[in-house]
Amino acid sequence: GNSVTQMEGPVTLSEEAFLTINCTYTATGYPSLFWYVQYPGEGLQLLLKATKADDKGSNKGFEATYRKETTSFHLEKGSVQVSDSAVYFCALRGSQGNLIFGKGTKLSVKP
Amino acid sequence: EAQVTQNPRYLITVTGKKLTVTCSQNMNHEYMSWYRQDPGLGLRQIYYSMNVEVTDKGDVPEGYKVSRKEKRNFPLILESPSPNQTSLYFCASRPQVSGTGSYEQYFGPGTRLTVT
Repeated sequence: GNSVTQMEGPVTLSEEAFLTINCTYTATGYPSLFWYVQYPGEGLQLLLKATKADDKGSNKGFEATYRKETTSFHLEKGSVQVSDSAVYFCALRGSQGNLIFGKGTKLSVKP
Repeated sequence: EAQVTQNPRYLITVTGKKLTVTCSQNMNHEYMSWYRQDPGLGLRQIYYSMNVEVTDKGDVPEGYKVSRKEKRNFPLILESPSPNQTSLYFCASRPQVSGTGSYEQYFGPGTRLTVT
């Protein structure tokens, strides 16, 4: 069945460091892929998405490219800020139109 | 403001005492869903609804009920809560999208439930 695997955290970085959070998926076909972010005490918010292979989603300095060859959708940011501290979830669209999530990666950015 | 609201935000209850968590959205979305979030497990879908009077099981439906009598509301019912249902619950909604739609979902702020 469909599934998402993302790197385990927590990830701790200094401000202005480069961020990569790995995400790979198993799916039939080429489903839409998403990154959601959960700030402390809040619900999930869509960060970015890609609907087909080779698409690049981007938002707030974050980027992820839909790579069908490696079944990956890694999240990257060139220079993180303290305000980026959150839990990040990779997800794919399931066959029922639902979202299938990875387990989440907690990011802490220190000043 | 477009939003998904949940109530209550925090609830502590005892085993066996029936409870309902309400969810409401003001975006006229057809699709609504409930998830639970547990450490190390991510979010798992409990139930979903494609439209009024249409509901179906997600990945972890045991011990839960839902109803969809109105388009905007999708309450989650725990008839006899048990400690293993202690979790953080999220309601979400999205428009009904066909084909290659992006299926972006909008989430409520969460309900933290503790069952003792």
